[in-house]
Amino acid sequence: DAKTTQPPSMDCAEGRAANLPCNHSTISGNEYVYWYRQIHSQGPQYIIHGLKNNETNEMASLIITEDRKSSTLILPHATLRDTAVYYCIVRVRNQGGKLIFGQGTELSVKP
Amino acid sequence: NAGVTQTPKFQVLKTGQSMTLQCAQDMNHEYMSWYRQDPGMGLRLIHYSVGAGITDQGEVPNGYNVSRSTTEDFPLRLLSAAPSQTSVYFCASTRGGNLNTEAFFGQGTRLTVV
Repeated sequence: DAKTTQPPSMDCAEGRAANLPCNHSTISGNEYVYWYRQIHSQGPQYIIHGLKNNETNEMASLIITEDRKSSTLILPHATLRDTAVYYCIVRVRNQGGKLIFGQGTELSVKP
Repeated sequence: NAGVTQTPKFQVLKTGQSMTLQCAQDMNHEYMSWYRQDPGMGLRLIHYSVGAGITDQGEVPNGYNVSRSTTEDFPLRLLSAAPSQTSVYFCASTRGGNLNTEAFFGQGTRLTVV
């Protein structure tokens, strides 16, 4: 199964863009990249996902490299409420479309 | 819509006791799954179901049983709790096997086995 690698922690100033990188060099052609976040051990919250094109929604943007071996989640204007653990996840077809979680990046947004 | 509802939120068990973690979703999703999360780690798949009457094992199924008699409910049973099962358990549901749809998670059950 494809695995993801993320930096364990990052800081970001409030109001600035937060750019969270992720490596998924063993991802297969039909596997999706998903991003979730988790605040205070609550249930993971969906942010965004993509296959090979860049994606944007009201929460964030997802940039996937052309070779699909890495991606970047962009929170355009980080707020204190964006402080959380962010998981870059590969969703695979087997085992019911399971989500393969890595260790995540702990993002601290500072005033 | 309530989404995915898990009960209880907290539970303490003695070694050897049994219990059932409940999970219900009101989105008519076909796929449901159980994950566990241990300190400092991401979630790992325990069991999953692709529809009523169909269940299968995930990465860490030992010590857990599941059943899926209705589309809405997917309970997780611990037959004889062990300290190694101390964890936070999350239930998730998705609309079918299309990888292009997000999974919705419940708020978790924090289980301690003493």
